[in-house]
This record gives sequence, C-alpha cells and structure tokens, in this order.
Amino acid sequence: NAGVTQTPKFQVLKTGQSMTLQCAQDMNHEYMSWYRQDPGMGLRLIHYSVGAGITDQGEVPNGYNVSRSTTEDFPLRLLSAAPSQTSVYFCASSPDLVDEQFFGPGTRLTVL
Amino acid sequence: AQKVTQAQTEISVVEKEDVTLVCVYETRDTTYYLFWYKQPPSGELVFLIRRNSFDEQNEISGRYSWNFQKSTSSFNFTITASQVVDSAVYFCALTLYNQGGKLIFGQGTELSVKP
Repeated sequence: NAGVTQTPKFQVLKTGQSMTLQCAQDMNHEYMSWYRQDPGMGLRLIHYSVGAGITDQGEVPNGYNVSRSTTEDFPLRLLSAAPSQTSVYFCASSPDLVDEQFFGPGTRLTVL
Repeated sequence: AQKVTQAQTEISVVEKEDVTLVCVYETRDTTYYLFWYKQPPSGELVFLIRRNSFDEQNEISGRYSWNFQKSTSSFNFTITASQVVDSAVYFCALTLYNQGGKLIFGQGTELSVKP
C-alpha cells in the first residue's frame, strides 16, 4: 500500500495563479481531509469529506475549493493564490471519523 | 468552542533525561478523542496514540507514557530516558464524537534532545 500520496512536493506560485494539490489514498478510507501547517499555529483544517460526493468546510476554508468524486482522490484547489496561502499542506485519510488519521508527506507551497 | 493548548513551545533536554510534554484541552462535550502525533525533522506526521474520553487509564508503550486526567483537562506525554531520535515536534489534538474527523491541533512542542 502506498498509503496517502500528495503531489507536488514543492510548488512556487505567483499571486493570482491557480493550482490543484493532488491527494490520493489506497486504503479505501471514507474520511479525507486537508490541513495547512503554519509556524506556531499547529495544523488547521481547511476542508474535509466523509465520503464520495460529500464535502464540508473546516476552520480556514476561504480561498480553497475541494471535490470528492471518488473514494480515492481528494484534490484541493487554490482559486487565486495569495501570499497568505504560503504554507505546508497535508492531506489525511481515516477509516472512521474518530480514528487515527493517516497523513501524506505534505506539499510545501510558496506564493510570491 | 474547543481548544487545545500546548504552552511549551520549545523544550531542550540532554539525552537520557525524562521529559513531559503538556497538553491542556477545552471542550464541553462528554464524548471526545485525544491524540498525539510526532513530526520528526523529515516532516511527516506520525500517529502515536488515541484516547477516548471514557478511558482514563494511563498508557505505556516502551519509553513513552501518557497521563489522561479529565479533572484537569490534560493529556500529558512523558518520554523516559530520552534519545536523540526523539527530537521532533509533538502535536496534541482533539476531536469530538459529534464532529468526527475534525481534528483540532495544539500549537505543537518542539523537543530537542542533545547528546
């Protein structure tokens, strides 16, 4: 099992550009989520999904879009990148809503 | 609102010392789950433990132990005889049963173990 995979590992964008961070898991987990990690703030939930076709907002959803068309994939879209979105992004999946979450390796995004 | 506080931003110890990482949480719900994750310098997040609100038994796993006390809303993590490989950022997190999956993280404690 590859577990949770994320692409790309690094990305540099200019302000106003859009892009999609990819996340996939091969563990057949229903629950998937996206977090951002900023210095001194821990991880904060952006969006999450409890199954294909179902998504909801987390703590910091503004500027991000998600969709869940399959159980395996949960892409995160930045609509118009801003310097405040410079962060490390982690995708996670879990077999159950309150179970251990398995995290991907992260994507380091810099917005200039 | 729910909150997790890790007041210790950085801790530095010498190898073989014992160290306790403090986690204090806030919630009015009676059913919740607490977690600890480790983030080594390589950056990945590694699950260490999950504890539900109805199980206050302490847990020991090798050099790691956890003390859950509902009376003080704390879920502290102790490393006995620390090693250089324990150097990492440690996160405490909380999720509520009726908000399942929405992990609320503390700010993290960076532990540095020097040889």
